[in-house]
Amino acid sequence: NAGVMQNPRHLVRRRGQEARLRCSPMKGHSHVYWYRQLPEEGLKFMVYLQKENIIDESGMPKERFSAEFPKEGPSILRIQQVVRGDSAAYFCASSPPRPAQIETQYFGPGTRLLVL
Amino acid sequence: GQQLNQSPQSMFIQEGEDVSMNCTSSSIFNTWLWYKQDPGEGPVLLIALYKAGELTSNGRLTAQFGITRKDSFLNISASIPSDVGIYFCAGLGARGNEKLTFGTGTRLTIIP
Repeated sequence: NAGVMQNPRHLVRRRGQEARLRCSPMKGHSHVYWYRQLPEEGLKFMVYLQKENIIDESGMPKERFSAEFPKEGPSILRIQQVVRGDSAAYFCASSPPRPAQIETQYFGPGTRLLVL
Repeated sequence: GQQLNQSPQSMFIQEGEDVSMNCTSSSIFNTWLWYKQDPGEGPVLLIALYKAGELTSNGRLTAQFGITRKDSFLNISASIPSDVGIYFCAGLGARGNEKLTFGTGTRLTIIP
């Protein structure tokens, strides 16, 4: 059973461009979470999605950032008009619809975004 | 917002030594988790704690959920080179299947 997949692993963008980060959850998982990690810091929650629904976006910046998890296909985190401060590692985690244990968030390897 | 403080920030130890790190919170969590992150990778779950006072082991790792539900510690016994990495505590609230709040991390370096 493949783990959480994220691509690309590394992404370089110039200021003002758009960044699209993709996350394919583990097979059978219908909950996806996005976290951001700045250098030398812990992960910070951004958004929690179920299929076709945003459940909690309290950690998402109000502008330029959006997330979706369509019925078919991966979850997408989209950052418009990137700025240097968006440079970070972005991690996706997934969990099953009715977890036996509530801790079962499995993390992907992350996408390292560098904004020049 | 909720905040988890980990200490120490970094540790330099010799192979074979025991390691202890802890995590404190300004608010209560119902579940405490400990993760390890290797360079360039995502966090991997080490131990999960569900009840206040619970003591749980996973091989050379032992973790405890504080009675107040505002703290937890992680011990690693007889450290080996592959223990190198960053250790994060994380708290989960009451409802389950929701966002994790991560600590600031403890970077472990082992001196041969």
